[in-house]
Amino acid sequence: GAVVSQHPSWVICKSGTSVKIECRSLDFQATTMFWYRQFPKQSLMLMATSNEGSKATYEQGVEKDKFLINHASLTLSTLTVTSAHPEDSSFYICSAGYGQNTEAFFGQGTRLTVV
Amino acid sequence: DQQVKQNSPSLSVQEGRISILNCDYTNSMFDYFLWYKKYPAEGPTFLISISSIKDKNEDGRFTVFLNKSAKHLSLHIVPSQPGDSAVYFCAAREWTSGTYKYIFGTGTRLKVLA
Repeated sequence: GAVVSQHPSWVICKSGTSVKIECRSLDFQATTMFWYRQFPKQSLMLMATSNEGSKATYEQGVEKDKFLINHASLTLSTLTVTSAHPEDSSFYICSAGYGQNTEAFFGQGTRLTVV
Repeated sequence: DQQVKQNSPSLSVQEGRISILNCDYTNSMFDYFLWYKKYPAEGPTFLISISSIKDKNEDGRFTVFLNKSAKHLSLHIVPSQPGDSAVYFCAAREWTSGTYKYIFGTGTRLKVLA
C-alpha cells in the first residue's frame, strides 16, 4: 500500500520559534497533499490543500502567514509553524493523494508542544 | 457548520457481535465516502470506501452502506474483535474548482469488549 512518512513524530519548541514538519510520500507521487490539525477528542480539521508546484489553498480561518505550506515536489510537502505560541500546540497530520484516487493516505502525525 | 456528522461519540460492543457506526452528511454533492480507523497519536488508516453511485461495498468483515436519500452512511463490522477498538472517522470527498478535499466527521470511539 501507499506509504506516507511524516517527520518529526513529536517536537517541543519555545514560544516565538518556528517549526518545520515534513510529509513525504515514499512509494508514489502525491499530486495533492492535505494538512490537518486535530485537537484532543475532536475531528481532523483541514487546514490547507496543496498541489505540487502551486500555492496552497487555505481553509477559512487558517492564517497562511502563520502556517506556511510548501509542496515543492511530488513526494514532499512541508508545514512550517512560524512564531509558534502555546495555542499552536496540537497534533498535525498530513495526507497525500494521487490523481483522482479515492483514498488519501495519512502520515503518522506530529505532536507539537509549544512551551 | 459541520457537513459530516457522527452523532455517537462512543460505542461499546461485545466481541463477536456486530458493530454499527453511523455517519450523516449534509452536502449532496459529495461523490465519495470513506471510513478511517485511528489510534491515539497515530495517523488514520484507510478502511473502506464507497462511491456515491453505489449503496453497498463489502471488504471482509467491513461493509459500508450508503443511503443517499437520507444522506446517511454506516459501517458494519462483523464479527467485532478487540483489535477493532479505536476511533472511527467517516469522511466525504468534495470537489471545488477542479480540486478535491476530504471533510471528516467528529469520530466515534469503538470499544470491543472481550
